Amino acid sequence: EVQLVESGGGLVQPGRSLRLSCTASGFTFGDYAMSWVRQAPGKGLEWVGFIRSKAYGGTTEYAASVKGRFTISRDDSKSIAYLQMNSLKTEDTAVYYCTRSDTAMVDFDYWGQGTLVTVSS
Amino acid sequence: EIVLTQSPGTLSLSPGERATLSCRASQSVSSSYLAWYQQKPGQAPRLLIYGASSRATGIPDRFSGSGSGTDFTLTISRLEPEDFAVYYCQQYGSSPSFTFGPGTKVDIK
Repeated sequence: EVQLVESGGGLVQPGRSLRLSCTASGFTFGDYAMSWVRQAPGKGLEWVGFIRSKAYGGTTEYAASVKGRFTISRDDSKSIAYLQMNSLKTEDTAVYYCTRSDTAMVDFDYWGQGTLVTVSS
Repeated sequence: EIVLTQSPGTLSLSPGERATLSCRASQSVSSSYLAWYQQKPGQAPRLLIYGASSRATGIPDRFSGSGSGTDFTLTISRLEPEDFAVYYCQQYGSSPSFTFGPGTKVDIK
């Protein structure tokens, strides 16, 4: 069974940093691209970014709203994906979901339960 | 950037009724790149349909997707109590980028 478990959320002040982790199980982690999607309270879904598998260079892509502030990385030996968030803004407050991208990397076939990040002074 | 619009915003129906949800794109979208998700309160979204019309693993056949170009539809043939939720469409675009529609809430009439 595919499982994705996020951790690392919490309350952080504007301008500070936070790192989220996504621990995967039930599939060969290294074979898949992994994405982060967020949802502000009471709002819709927003793609944050993704990291390709090593077979596709392990490169990353980001939404314009987070580019230059957020960094996604992966440790295939531990089956963990990370989301490093720097220079956080109040508008980054959201539930952050870790997702597995399907093999074509065009949608998100499995989701974690999400972790809440609150950016507030 | 392609913008997705979903209608109606809210759909009030009774169990057993048919639900028809619309997703319209501001530019043509490849059918291979259009997906639908279901989200229940307090839960993560779940992939329902990918490639505009293919059901994801474990999705009942009362869910079906159709459409091409700029107009896509998610149909639930007979609503079950567990189907009352918010539904999002999503497209994959160049750059690459992913965008979601604002969602359609299906609630009990």
